[in-house]
Amino acid sequence: DTAVSQTPKYLVTQMGNDKSIKCEQNLGHDTMYWYKQDSKKFLKIMFSYNNKELIINETVPNRFSPKSPDKAHLNLHINSLELGDSAVYFCASSQDTVGTQKQYFGPGTRLTVT
Amino acid sequence: QKEVEQDPGPLSVPEGAIVSLNCTYSNSAFQYFMWYRQYSRKGPELLMYTYSSGNKEDGRFTAQVDKSSKYISLFIRDSQPSDSATYLCAMSVLGRDDKIIFGKGTRLHILP
Repeated sequence: DTAVSQTPKYLVTQMGNDKSIKCEQNLGHDTMYWYKQDSKKFLKIMFSYNNKELIINETVPNRFSPKSPDKAHLNLHINSLELGDSAVYFCASSQDTVGTQKQYFGPGTRLTVT
Repeated sequence: QKEVEQDPGPLSVPEGAIVSLNCTYSNSAFQYFMWYRQYSRKGPELLMYTYSSGNKEDGRFTAQVDKSSKYISLFIRDSQPSDSATYLCAMSVLGRDDKIIFGKGTRLHILP
């Protein structure tokens, strides 16, 4: 059974387009995250939600907008895509927001902007 | 100075060798230290965690934290080809809205 799933796995699109990535977790966790991993493998948090409430909102362009319809889902919508948005985006979840909680990562969405 | 520094490698060692992976950090408020393993084209998975200073052992893996030197290590004994992956150190300050700060990861190759 997949714990944290993301769709799509690969996304190739042109500059200026708008795209969405979806994430679902079936672990019953209250907290979900979006991370960006760049070409140098640097993994950096973008957002976290706890029970549909935005908790962490790092300094990311406002072209990125997360949406959590319920605590099992966290989607990421990106407007006006730029070349620098090309990266692997990981969704993760944990029981709550405390940093000691184990985070479970999804398989990633590899976004390529041309 | 970055908050967490980690040598990206790659590090290649023969099968059976002891592997030492390290990270340094600058924020003395970090109290919780983790090691994640990431196989190629997969998401990271938590391998080990330690709270504050000290050692923790789990099978072939040992995690060490030296808060006085702001230095953490992961040792892998009897390394196997299946240990080939990227290892990311990570750490956090304990509080309600914690975020985990990751190192850049060290690529490890175990040569059969």
